[in-house]
Amino acid sequence: GNSVTQMEGPVTLSEEAFLTINCTYTATGYPSLFWYVQYPGEGLQLLLKATKADDKGSNKGFEATYRKETTSFHLEKGSVQVSDSAVYFCALSEGKGGYQKVTFGTGTKLQVIP
Amino acid sequence: EPEVTQTPSHQVTQMGQEVILRCVPISNHLYFYWYRQILGQKVEFLVSFYNNEISEKSEIFDDQFSVERPDGSNFTLKIRSTKLEDSAMYFCASKYGTSYEQYFGPGTRLTVT
Repeated sequence: GNSVTQMEGPVTLSEEAFLTINCTYTATGYPSLFWYVQYPGEGLQLLLKATKADDKGSNKGFEATYRKETTSFHLEKGSVQVSDSAVYFCALSEGKGGYQKVTFGTGTKLQVIP
Repeated sequence: EPEVTQTPSHQVTQMGQEVILRCVPISNHLYFYWYRQILGQKVEFLVSFYNNEISEKSEIFDDQFSVERPDGSNFTLKIRSTKLEDSAMYFCASKYGTSYEQYFGPGTRLTVT
């Protein structure tokens, strides 16, 4: 079955530091890949997505590139802010038609300190 | 911007009681989902629903669970006889057509005592 593995947290960074959160996946076909973010006390928000190999998803300064050869989708940001503190989930979706379910990683908690 | 809403935000119930969690998906969406997240663990798929029937369910979604779209706007998850291990955050999601993006609601925190 499909699975997503992401780096254990928590990750603690100083403001303006560079962020990388590693994510690798296992899938039987050609999944779409996502990063979701969960701010404290809130629900899941889609941060960015990539639907095919070599696509780069980007949003709010975050980026991730769909690497089929390494089955990876690492999240990066050049300069984090305190407001980026949240839990980040790597996820994939696969399936034909509309029935795709999302498979999530375990989440990585990011804490940015001033 | 349209969004998925869920009520209540927090539900406390006693073991063995029935609970109904409610969701209002985005109005023109056709595919509906429930997920759950036990505290500190990953978000897990429970069930998907399309054209008034379940299209897929996980092994978690046993006979104690059911889903329903009672009218054109609501999508509900019922747990018939709650157990302590049902305590979790439950997320509803919806999707339009064959697009890849699912839109998630803010979640209902269920606490079973």
